[in-house]
Amino acid sequence: DVKVTQSSRYLVKRTGEKVFLECVQDMDHENMFWYRQDPGLGLRLIYFSYDVKMKEKGDIPEGYSVSREKKERFSLILESASTNQTSMYLCASRPTTGTGELFFGEGSRLTVL
Amino acid sequence: SQQGEEDPQALSIQEGENATMNCSYKTSINNLQWYRQNSGRGLVHLILIRSNEREKHSGRLRVTLDTSKKSSSLLITASRAADTASYFCATDFQGNTPLVFGKGTRLSVIA
Repeated sequence: DVKVTQSSRYLVKRTGEKVFLECVQDMDHENMFWYRQDPGLGLRLIYFSYDVKMKEKGDIPEGYSVSREKKERFSLILESASTNQTSMYLCASRPTTGTGELFFGEGSRLTVL
Repeated sequence: SQQGEEDPQALSIQEGENATMNCSYKTSINNLQWYRQNSGRGLVHLILIRSNEREKHSGRLRVTLDTSKKSSSLLITASRAADTASYFCATDFQGNTPLVFGKGTRLSVIA
């Protein structure tokens, strides 16, 4: 069965801290995505990656960076967390050839105090 | 850039009734997908309809697509309390570009 695992379901961090959100998929998918979800705003794309060591900016990349050193792992980094980054973060993956369906992790709810 | 817009934002119905959610989008698509999200969880793919299809069924789900009006609808028949969730449409374009999601419809099914 397809699985996308996000390392932490709930995190509480302080303003200015460096935050790592990890995502691992076991399906050998080339494409991985980070979205953030906020009430009334839906899902917004932060960064995505088509392959190892490749990254592309989404609609709201400011304040974030990503790392894809291995095909199965896509990390989202908040260099200096701010309160406006309090949100639900969703990781997803899909293969390049396929139906186009996205497979999501369970989400990481980050609170920045 | 938000492509899909769901309507209504929230919907409350009695168990056994049908629930209809609509999605409008702006530019040509390769396919349109619907996802479900239980409260506080990740999204789960429900159904995909290609741009050359007009209607698709999966169990109690029926999806229609009207490319001339750039709109889609998701019908859930004989709803159950367990259908309570948020439902999102997502548009997929030619090539390997990311899906773009709407803001979702929050469905409450009251037993």
